[in-house]
This record gives sequence, C-alpha cells and structure tokens, in this order.
Amino acid sequence: QVQLVESGGGVVQPGKSLRLSCAASGFTFSNYAIHWVRQAPGKGLEWVAVISDDGTNKYYADSVKGRFTLSRDNSKNTLFLQMNSLRAEDTAVYYCAREWTYWYFDLWGRGTLVTVSS
Amino acid sequence: QSALTQPASVSGSPGQSITISCTGTSSDVGSNNFVSWYQQHPGKAPKLMIYEGSKRPSGVSNRFSGSKTGNTASLTISGLQAEDEADYYCCSFAGSSTWIFGGGTKLTVL
Repeated sequence: QVQLVESGGGVVQPGKSLRLSCAASGFTFSNYAIHWVRQAPGKGLEWVAVISDDGTNKYYADSVKGRFTLSRDNSKNTLFLQMNSLRAEDTAVYYCAREWTYWYFDLWGRGTLVTVSS
Repeated sequence: QSALTQPASVSGSPGQSITISCTGTSSDVGSNNFVSWYQQHPGKAPKLMIYEGSKRPSGVSNRFSGSKTGNTASLTISGLQAEDEADYYCCSFAGSSTWIFGGGTKLTVL
C-alpha cells in the first residue's frame, strides 16, 4: 500500500524539542523529495520544508529556518523533522507529503499533532 | 511571505458551478505555471485536484478545472455535488525552493 505515516507528535513546552518521523511504504522512497506542510488548528496549510531525494538539499520556510532540521534515512524509508526551540505558533498538525513532478504534492500522510504549551 | 489570497467561503447549490480565486504576486502565481489546488475534507489529509494550473491527476473528476490569468489562478467546480463540500487550497511554487499556500476557501453545498 502506497502511504506515508507520520509519528512523534505530542505536547511539548515552549523552548523544548521534538522529532517527527515520516515512514514511507509502497513506493521507492529514495526516488522522491519529501515535504512537510503544517496546519494550525482551524487554520490553513503552511509549507514548512523540503528535503531532496538523496537528502543533500534542504530548504525551509522563514518561520522555521534555524530551528527545524530535516534528515532522511533511505535505507529505512524514513524521514525526520527535528524541531528545536519550539514556540506556541508551531502548534499544528504536521503532514509529510511526496513531491511529484518537482512542483506538486501527490501523496500525503494523515498528519501528527504537535502542541506547544506550558 | 504572506499567504496567497483566497475568499474565505463560497457556496452553491447542487448542479451549479462555483469558482474560487487565488491571488498572488509576480513572484509566485504570476511567475510560473506551477499552481496546484488541493481539496481537504474535515479531519482528512489534502488531496491534489489540479496541477500545472489546469491539469487533473488521474482519478479526479472532470467537473474540476483550473485556469490562470496574470497573478490570479482560479478553480472552477461544475455540477456541484454534496461530496464537493470541503476546504480548497491553492498552492504555488514561490522560487528559491519554497512553496506558498492560499489561506483556504470553505465550499458549502447548499
């Protein structure tokens, strides 16, 4: 079954860290760039970051640059989003999404909720 | 960078057509043809409905169509059906390997 499954969300205090995972199955993970997109409660979608298929190129939205770090382990078909110095405004459902034909997102996970609160 | 501008809500009766606009700038929507549209039902992940401004992925109904003029992209849904009720988001490549979404539009089928 072709799918992405996020995990690692939870409640964390401001300033603390959290690591999200995105596990892929049913397709050749190493052939695809993967993005993270988040959605604050009741709000719209916000693009967060992307990592290239081989992990060498990573790009981030200004809102998370310097705090979030992407990595991937193609041998384990898994992607990681290390989130440091978390803020209340980082509270959101975080989705990983497969990049298709360079510009679009054709496969999404179901998301994992991150709540930053004291 | 601010989100692309979409109307907060639109509505239509079954069988009618509606259009959702998505306005950006010459740095995103107006600079390329890499605009896409996503449908999101409550509690679900987004689904790609339109890519490259006007193309439909396999399996998406031909009732969905897209277009673009200048800095504004549009999504039209014809023959509205109850299952079309959802939130819709436009998205554009914004250069420098970044992407930007619209604020989202809630479609209500009356």
